[in-house]
Amino acid sequence: DAKTTQPPSMDCAEGRAANLPCNHSTISGNEYVYWYRQIHSQGPQYIIHGLKNNETNEMASLIITEDRKSSTLILPHATLRDTAVYYCIVRVVVNDMRFGAGTRLTVKP
Amino acid sequence: GAVVSQHPSWVICKSGTSVKIECRSLDFQATTMFWYRQFPKQSLMLMATSNEGSKATYEQGVEKDKFLINHASLTLSTLTVTSAHPEDSSFYICSAQQGFNEQFFGPGTRLTVL
Repeated sequence: DAKTTQPPSMDCAEGRAANLPCNHSTISGNEYVYWYRQIHSQGPQYIIHGLKNNETNEMASLIITEDRKSSTLILPHATLRDTAVYYCIVRVVVNDMRFGAGTRLTVKP
Repeated sequence: GAVVSQHPSWVICKSGTSVKIECRSLDFQATTMFWYRQFPKQSLMLMATSNEGSKATYEQGVEKDKFLINHASLTLSTLTVTSAHPEDSSFYICSAQQGFNEQFFGPGTRLTVL
């Protein structure tokens, strides 16, 4: 599976949009982009995933560049409960999920 | 999303004893289950992958005789830490996947070995 690069930490004001970037320049054609988050001392929570097209669900939006070498997870109205470590993972769907260091997002009042 | 449970949520044991952790998929059949370990301030590290009815596949550096994994049914996998030592103290997390769908993670089990 391709490697991903994320900033180690980010801050966001409560109520504003949080935009979390992820670089995956070596992604191959059959690899999906997955986003999970982990709130302190809990198991990771699935957020969203996509292959080529932008995706949106009740939690977030996923924007994937046309060349698929990077993506952005958007939390439209961040709340204090969104403070967590966010992981961007690239994988072929049948493969195991391998985690990098992720981005520690802190939502501030 | 699908629900995965783990039991116990935390356990404290004496050095040299064995500890069993259960992972259950509550509302779907998990053809594949994964076990991870997470040390403080670090990311999750994959320990092993298990398919129902088959022997688990362990990651390099993970001792299969120390971390026994059983995946006897489509809804249950167990991880047994044998002869636990203080360095085995960690947060153990399982995940379950049905076919080619996304993985869902359990809430984790915190193991403390005294």
